[in-house]
Amino acid sequence: DSGVTQTPKHLITATGQRVTLRCSPRSGDLSVYWYQQSLDQGLQFLIQYYNGEERAKGNILERFSAQQFPDLHSELNLSSLELGDSALYFCASSVDTGFSYEQYFGPGTRLTVT
Amino acid sequence: AQSVTQLGSHVSVSEGALVLLRCNYSSSVPPYLFWYVQYPNQGLQLLLKYTTGATLVKGINGFEAEFKKSETSFHLTKPSAHMSDAAEYFCAVFSYNYGQNFVFGPGTRLSVLP
Repeated sequence: DSGVTQTPKHLITATGQRVTLRCSPRSGDLSVYWYQQSLDQGLQFLIQYYNGEERAKGNILERFSAQQFPDLHSELNLSSLELGDSALYFCASSVDTGFSYEQYFGPGTRLTVT
Repeated sequence: AQSVTQLGSHVSVSEGALVLLRCNYSSSVPPYLFWYVQYPNQGLQLLLKYTTGATLVKGINGFEAEFKKSETSFHLTKPSAHMSDAAEYFCAVFSYNYGQNFVFGPGTRLSVLP
C-alpha cells in the first residue's frame, strides 16, 4: 500500500459526458501527479501540482483539467469524453516538487467510455 | 522531443537466470532516469533512479542499472530472476529540456519460467 488513494476504482460512462477522478496523496506529500495508461499510447504524464499550484504539464488534452485543493487532495476532470479516453488513470504523490523525488503511485481509476 | 525505447516488449527468462531489460533514451541534456515496475492490477513502484553521481545505481529487490551516457542507455539487470519478478517494467526519463518533460518507455513484460 503506497498510501495514495484514488476514487472511484472503476467508472463507466458514455461519450460526451464529464467525470471527476479524485486522488488523496500520502500524508505529508505536497506534489500530486496525474498519468494516463492506455493500450494505444502507453503511459503518459498529464500534469503536476505542488501545494495547490500547477508545476508541470505533459500531454494533457484541453478537455482535461485538474486542480489541487488546500487539503492537498487533487481532482482530474475529464469532459466531452471520447472512446479513446478509456484508460487507467493514475495519481502519484511525492514530498517535493522535483521529478527527482520518488513518486508513490495510487492503484488507479479505470475509466471506460462507451 | 525526448523519447525512450525499450528493446523487447516481452522478455522470458528461467528462474535463477540473469535478467536484462534494455532502455535507451534520447535527450540533449543530462537526464534523470528511472525504472518502475507494475504488477498486475497495481500502480507503479519505483525500482531505482539515476539523477547525478555514481552511474551504477542499485535499487530494490536486487535490481541495478547503469547509466552509460555515451550509449544513451540505462539497462536494468538482476543476477538471478525470481518468480515474483514477473511484471511489467517501464523505463522513464525526465529532463528540463523542452520544459519539464517526463516520458515513459513502452514497457517490457518480464515472464519468469520455472
